[in-house]
Amino acid sequence: EAQVTQNPRYLITVTGKKLTVTCSQNMNHEYMSWYRQDPGLGLRQIYYSMNVEVTDKGDVPEGYKVSRKEKRNFPLILESPSPNQTSLYFCASSTLKDRGAYNEQFFGPGTRLTVL
Amino acid sequence: GDSVTQMEGPVTLSEEAFLTINCTYTATGYPSLFWYVQYPGEGLQLLLKATKADDKGSNKGFEATYRKETTSFHLEKGSVQVSDSAVYFCALLGYSTLTFGKGTMLLVSP
Repeated sequence: EAQVTQNPRYLITVTGKKLTVTCSQNMNHEYMSWYRQDPGLGLRQIYYSMNVEVTDKGDVPEGYKVSRKEKRNFPLILESPSPNQTSLYFCASSTLKDRGAYNEQFFGPGTRLTVL
Repeated sequence: GDSVTQMEGPVTLSEEAFLTINCTYTATGYPSLFWYVQYPGEGLQLLLKATKADDKGSNKGFEATYRKETTSFHLEKGSVQVSDSAVYFCALLGYSTLTFGKGTMLLVSP
């Protein structure tokens, strides 16, 4: 089954304790992206990647890191989490077409992160 | 930069009522437009899309028409069901990023 998976689905942690949220897709998609969803703010893009070893900042990249060493995986790293990073996080992927335009994005089930 | 504005919710309707959720956008170039739906406790699912002006996207009884002259992509359904209760997001696809509206919660009562 074609899907985007994220782990963990739920995480409670404390300020400053490094964590990684994994994202994997089995559709051979070039494009992958991370979003955070907060009440009243909708979804905001954190980072995206258009291919292996190619990543770029989205709208709210501060406090986050990503890597794209393999096509299927796009982990989100919080080196020193803070309470304002408490949020619902979604990973997404899509194919790329000509000139960087791409098809609709497929979303993972989400990771609910609480930073105390 | 690109932006999407959609009506604030919640929108509360009775079953079989007509639904409209307004969405307008600002963008450079010729973006593609999407409606995503998020059911309680789940991720986002693509509901429908339109890739050029005057295209009509449709799915599960929902429709939206890409109106370039009014920069709008309003979501409509003729007769809502309780199972349509969810949060609906309008989104714009630019060159490399997807920009979302803030979401509109729809609550349908029997």
